[in-house]
Amino acid sequence: SQKIEQNSEALNIQEGKTATLTCNYTNYSPAYLQWYRQDPGRGPVFLLLIRENEKEKRKERLKVTFDTTLKQSLFHITASQPADSATYLCALDTGNQFYFGTGTSLTVIP
Amino acid sequence: GAVVSQHPSRVICKSGTSVKIECRSLDFQATTMFWYRQFPKKSLMLMATSNEGSKATYEQGVEKDKFLINHASLTLSTLTVTSAHPEDSSFYICSIGMSATEAFFGQGTRLTVV
Repeated sequence: SQKIEQNSEALNIQEGKTATLTCNYTNYSPAYLQWYRQDPGRGPVFLLLIRENEKEKRKERLKVTFDTTLKQSLFHITASQPADSATYLCALDTGNQFYFGTGTSLTVIP
Repeated sequence: GAVVSQHPSRVICKSGTSVKIECRSLDFQATTMFWYRQFPKKSLMLMATSNEGSKATYEQGVEKDKFLINHASLTLSTLTVTSAHPEDSSFYICSIGMSATEAFFGQGTRLTVV
């Protein structure tokens, strides 16, 4: 069956540390993988997109990796700040549709 | 990027009544919009794809007669929850976006049926 799993429903880290979130999937063949941020009671906001033939993508303090062999994407936030606290969703873009993970709730502790 | 406005942000209705949720693309002509439903601590589940000028495409298990979608113009899609029941209480979100590009989401609508 098709499945998208994001590590630990909740992740707490100290301010200044690097947060690493994981997205694993089975039985999908995404052409792209995207990461979104969602704050409580709000719609998701796009962060980064990575193509299947790209290994890594960076944007300011954010870094995404995509390993189609392992069927995994890692999302890193370096020098984390309390304002980074939110739920982060990965989304598989198969070309026809987006499939979302359940999200990881990140809390950055001052 | 595109701006998507969703209204209302919150609505409480009585069981058996109907509720209409609007999704507007403010600066982009969207031939296709997407409607999602999200339960607490769950992922976004695609309900239907709204196509301008034609019938919506519903995902398996989504009742067409219960969740009426109208996409009458390139900037407006509406979702009407008909004869709402408490189990329809959820967070409904619309979006625009095609493959290989980012999706732009509305603010979401928290529906509570009492």
